[in-house]
Amino acid sequence: GENVEQHPSTLSVQEGDSAVIKCTYSDSASNYFPWYKQELGKRPQLIIDIRSNVGEKKDQRIAVTLNKTAKHFSLHITETQPEDSAVYFCAASKGYSTLTFGKGTMLLVSP
Amino acid sequence: DTAVSQTPKYLVTQMGNDKSIKCEQNLGHDTMYWYKQDSKKFLKIMFSYNNKELIINETVPNRFSPKSPDKAHLNLHINSLELGDSAVYFCASSQDTSNEKLFFGSGTQLSVL
Repeated sequence: GENVEQHPSTLSVQEGDSAVIKCTYSDSASNYFPWYKQELGKRPQLIIDIRSNVGEKKDQRIAVTLNKTAKHFSLHITETQPEDSAVYFCAASKGYSTLTFGKGTMLLVSP
Repeated sequence: DTAVSQTPKYLVTQMGNDKSIKCEQNLGHDTMYWYKQDSKKFLKIMFSYNNKELIINETVPNRFSPKSPDKAHLNLHINSLELGDSAVYFCASSQDTSNEKLFFGSGTQLSVL
């Protein structure tokens, strides 16, 4: 089955800095890669997703890049703010198979 | 209106008891899921139902029995609770079985003493 590795497990940045979270996947047939944000004590929420026919996608301060050859994808957050502090999960799936999540990255943004 | 609602939010119980968690979605989605999030925050799929039919059943002990009376509801019944069942259980839904754009419920924190 699919295996998704996520790094780092914890990331601390200063407000205004950029943050990058990286994930690798094992199944080259995977074609859908979402990112979820989970604030403390809250539910995971989808923040951005990308399909395998696209190399990059942006939404305001967040962007996701995908390298199919290397089987890795990354989340980029620019101009970080304290409210960006949360656990971020990457995930991968192919077609209609199970969505496999990475183990999460706790992002701490200090004012 | 909450899109995916689950109850109860907290559940504290003794080992060996039987408990249920209820989930409802008002998004008109066809597919519903149960995920377990352990103390290390790892999210793992347990079950997936599409239009009331079970389509995914990961290696979950048969003490866990999901039931979907209609496509808007997916309940989880757990028999003979064990300490290791302590976790946060999330219900989720999506338009179809593509797993895309999951909407999660607010979670049920289960503590087995």
